[in-house]
Amino acid sequence: DADVTQTPRNRITKTGKRIMLECSQTKGHDRMYWYRQDPGLGLRLIYYSFDVKDINKGEISDGYSVSRQAQAKFSLSLESAIPNQTALYFCATTGGGGARYNEQFFGPGTRLTVL
Amino acid sequence: GENVEQHPSTLSVQEGDSAVIKCTYSDSASNYFPWYKQELGKRPQLIIDIRSNVGEKKDQRIAVTLNKTAKHFSLHITETQPEDSAVYFCAATAGGGADGLTFGKGTHLIIQP
Repeated sequence: DADVTQTPRNRITKTGKRIMLECSQTKGHDRMYWYRQDPGLGLRLIYYSFDVKDINKGEISDGYSVSRQAQAKFSLSLESAIPNQTALYFCATTGGGGARYNEQFFGPGTRLTVL
Repeated sequence: GENVEQHPSTLSVQEGDSAVIKCTYSDSASNYFPWYKQELGKRPQLIIDIRSNVGEKKDQRIAVTLNKTAKHFSLHITETQPEDSAVYFCAATAGGGADGLTFGKGTHLIIQP
């Protein structure tokens, strides 16, 4: 979905480096999410945000931090990258506005390799 | 928290046959059950979803059934075609998905010509 973008699309970094992955959306959605995908493990929730003042930990938040700079921007940081953080990272968004059920729209993904 | 089990991990069927993928969930509060399709190198995309107040939903060749008592739901694809080859993920969540989705580990569906 072109309305959700992620940068960079690919990144190779070294152990101990700080790295930031960025997500932007033009869908006007309130809620944004970061997931990690590993082969054979599906997608797992790292962090999610309902608005710029509301950040929540997901299933696997250790080693990660996030920043919601604006309604449309949600960044994921690895303060000190380690090899087992090598994975495919997806940002997702969904609308709020009182809707009870909300489809999540995914960005194209960022492939991160930590050497 | 929620735990979602998905089977099988790989499913190979002849073109034109039906495919069934099954998932179970643990949290009785879960009320939203989407299915995503992910083609190689692409992002997951929603193909169908079902809510806890409905037992079955159909969209052309795709259907989903939900058994709340047994805490399981299934994806059915009929008259499979080569373009159905992909990885399929089920997910479950309470609160309609606002707090994020808990995914199964995925099923690699292979359509044999």
